[in-house]
Amino acid sequence: DGGITQSPKYLFRKEGQNVTLSCEQNLNHDAMYWYRQDPGQGLRLIYYSQIVNDFQKGDIAEGYSVSREKKESFPLTVTSAQKNPTAFYLCASSTQRGNTEAFFGQGTRLTVV
Amino acid sequence: QQQVKQSPQSLIVQKGGISIINCAYENTAFDYFPWYQQFPGKGPALLIAIRPDVSEKKEGRFTISFNKSAKQFSLHIMDSQPGDSATYFCAASYGQNFVFGPGTRLSVLP
Repeated sequence: DGGITQSPKYLFRKEGQNVTLSCEQNLNHDAMYWYRQDPGQGLRLIYYSQIVNDFQKGDIAEGYSVSREKKESFPLTVTSAQKNPTAFYLCASSTQRGNTEAFFGQGTRLTVV
Repeated sequence: QQQVKQSPQSLIVQKGGISIINCAYENTAFDYFPWYQQFPGKGPALLIAIRPDVSEKKEGRFTISFNKSAKQFSLHIMDSQPGDSATYFCAASYGQNFVFGPGTRLSVLP
């Protein structure tokens, strides 16, 4: 089955640590996205990538970094510079053509301990 | 211009009633309008979507109404069921650019 796989489902980070969230898709989509969702809130765009080896900052990129070395993979690193990283992180992908929707993974819940 | 406004923020409906969620946009470049349903702890899942050349689209109990001149669109859930209790997001897109509304938390009482 085609889809987007995020791992792990739950992640705990100590203060000052960097952690990396995985996102893999087998939909052959060109574009991939990372969103942050806080409790009871909407989706805020962190980073997006429209093609391999290229990515752009979204609305809340500070304290995060990404890479796009393969079409299928778009990992997100939450660095120690992100002061309030506890949130639900969602990865999505879409095709390059218009009139299309974004498909989401099941999310990773990151908690700082 | 990139904003999508969504209302209400929360909605409580009796079982069997009609749930209505409204969205509005400004950017006329948007050419696709999907709705997503999200259950707690899960990723949003596509529910139904519409293009601006269509005024209404129905899939089962879910209907999107689209008013291009007013730049508004809405989701109607007929015969609402407790299992429909979730957060609903409208979205607008052009190309690979997506803008999401802030979400509506729907509770359907049994």
